Amino acid sequence: DTAVSQTPKYLVTQMGNDKSIKCEQNLGHDTMYWYKQDSKKFLKIMFSYNNKELIINETVPNRFSPKSPDKAHLNLHINSLELGDSAVYFCASSSQGAYGYTFGSGTRLTVV
Amino acid sequence: AQKITQTQPGMFVQEKEAVTLDCTYDTSDQSYGLFWYKQPSSGEMIFLIYQGSYDEQNATEGRYSLNFQKARKSANLVISASQLGDSAMYFCAMRETWDDKIIFGKGTRLHILP
Repeated sequence: DTAVSQTPKYLVTQMGNDKSIKCEQNLGHDTMYWYKQDSKKFLKIMFSYNNKELIINETVPNRFSPKSPDKAHLNLHINSLELGDSAVYFCASSSQGAYGYTFGSGTRLTVV
Repeated sequence: AQKITQTQPGMFVQEKEAVTLDCTYDTSDQSYGLFWYKQPSSGEMIFLIYQGSYDEQNATEGRYSLNFQKARKSANLVISASQLGDSAMYFCAMRETWDDKIIFGKGTRLHILP
């Protein structure tokens, strides 16, 4: 049973397209996150949601729109994809008061 | 200013030797948590060890220990008796209690040599 699952694992798409990445956690955690890992392996937070409410939005272009239908799901929709969006996107979750995250396995997005 | 600094972009270590991966952090908060994560070539992020700022003893998890020196704002990871499977990227990270997010350092790529 995967604790934090992301789909798809790989995504190759053309510039200008719109795509979504889905994330689900079965840990009962309150908070979910999206991180972007660039080609130099630097991990940077994009968004966090606590119980469906947006908590963190770290100056991400508004082409990126997170959606949390319930506290177990946090999806990431990206409009008008650009070459610079190519990266690995990680979903993660944590429970309130807990100290660490559980990460999903990542989605490697390649924009061509 | 960087909150988490990992000064070693890459390290090569002989198998079975002990390894120390350096990490310094910057915070004015009194309450915070420090983490180390491992990212093997397969790409997943694996939690290794956690140290709370008020913990008086250094954290240990199997072959991993965290050398916490609060006054120096240092949180080095020590891996004892390294194995080939330890070859990976290692990230130091911090979470300030008032903040909901974990901030990562740039990572150290560790290569274990047979």
